[in-house]
Amino acid sequence: DIQMTQSPSTLSASVGDRVTITCRASQSISSWLAWYQQRPGKAPKLLIYKASSLEIGVPSRFSGSGSGTEFTLTISSLQPDDFATYYCQQYDSSSPWTFGQGTKVEIK
Amino acid sequence: QVQLVESGGGLLKPGGSLRLSCAASGFTFSDYYMSWIRQAPGKGLEWISYISSSGSTTDYADSVKGRFTISRDNAKNSLYLQMNSLRAEDTAVYYCARSRVVASISPLDYWGQGTLVTVSS
Repeated sequence: DIQMTQSPSTLSASVGDRVTITCRASQSISSWLAWYQQRPGKAPKLLIYKASSLEIGVPSRFSGSGSGTEFTLTISSLQPDDFATYYCQQYDSSSPWTFGQGTKVEIK
Repeated sequence: QVQLVESGGGLLKPGGSLRLSCAASGFTFSDYYMSWIRQAPGKGLEWISYISSSGSTTDYADSVKGRFTISRDNAKNSLYLQMNSLRAEDTAVYYCARSRVVASISPLDYWGQGTLVTVSS
């Protein structure tokens, strides 16, 4: 199975900061990568699909990039609603889907 | 609007069985692949299974293969997860979710609120 590794596990930041989260795949997944946001006690929310495509309704301060094995999620200017846990997920058709372990974005 | 509502969770002993249901509304259920994902308390997300729009194709994570069975009833707009031989490590909130693209395996754009399954002696 394809392993997904996120870094960092926890990130402390302030409102207005630019934040970057990295996700690495154990083998190439082309651009078959999604990012989700999960707030405490809530279901995950899809932010980005196909590595860099913004889901409808998601603010433009969120962006994704990368291909192959290395991917990033960037929040250009952190807002109070953005303090949450973020997960990457690979959906390459050759392998069972797997999620990264999550990155918690905390208030500094 | 799209709604997914899970039910059937509860407390049961190791070795037991449980059937989860997910009632879908607000979209043409029979057009979409559906998935089950779980989250153990305080842990990350784990994909468990998906099923094609017709129900003819399924796949499972190794951790549940042979014990869990996903199915759907398109006439009832419902998704199911039959869980057998339950273990303590199956304790989690179980979410159903919809693939975002019609008739395609794709990321999950709508999720239910989750149902808690607790396996404990």
